[in-house]
Amino acid sequence: SQQGEEDPQALSIQEGENATMNCSYKTSINNLQWYRQNSGRGLVHLILIRSNEREKHSGRLRVTLDTSKKSSSLLITASRAADTASYFCATAGTALIFGKGTTLSVSS
Amino acid sequence: EAGVAQSPRYKIIEKRQSVAFWCNPISGHATLYWYQQILGQGPKLLIQFQNNGVVDDSQLPKDRFSAERLKGVDSTLKIQPAKLEDSAVYLCASSFSENNEQFFGPGTRLTVL
Repeated sequence: SQQGEEDPQALSIQEGENATMNCSYKTSINNLQWYRQNSGRGLVHLILIRSNEREKHSGRLRVTLDTSKKSSSLLITASRAADTASYFCATAGTALIFGKGTTLSVSS
Repeated sequence: EAGVAQSPRYKIIEKRQSVAFWCNPISGHATLYWYQQILGQGPKLLIQFQNNGVVDDSQLPKDRFSAERLKGVDSTLKIQPAKLEDSAVYLCASSFSENNEQFFGPGTRLTVL
């Protein structure tokens, strides 16, 4: 079963714009992770935020976690064409469970 | 550092045939995972090993799928007999320990005709 559910399912933006993706989940977690998947590099880990953290940054990525609302968001600032990919949130409890993903298209 | 290796990269078989996939995780990673990813969906965990012991195989269709991790390093996943709905990408991943960042291999794309 898939616990995380990303929103929106698809997002199209121009280079330089910011992209925001949301993830909602149902049960308690140890941490929440975001992954990117494209045809060139496969599935790659982006960032991990623990259940006792509220916000985390990594380069152009900013992740927030609200455990009371069971939700997380991933913000990509100043997007580039190379950011075009599918983005998955994955919740870590007894196992890592992936959502269905958000497909991001960045056009130049 | 070498990544997670998988073979073959592609496999086409007919239904009711058997197939096996191989995975070599990153050296020193105790935890190994097999996922099934159907087109348009996120990866679904099939089985998780901690060293050579099974931690979670609750979503593995045990009537046709089997997996082993020899000596806590390499792993094989087998499907026997294959069904049309088994067409998917099979991903292997490893991590230093449970609930940590996972490193994924390139996957094996299986087509069952």
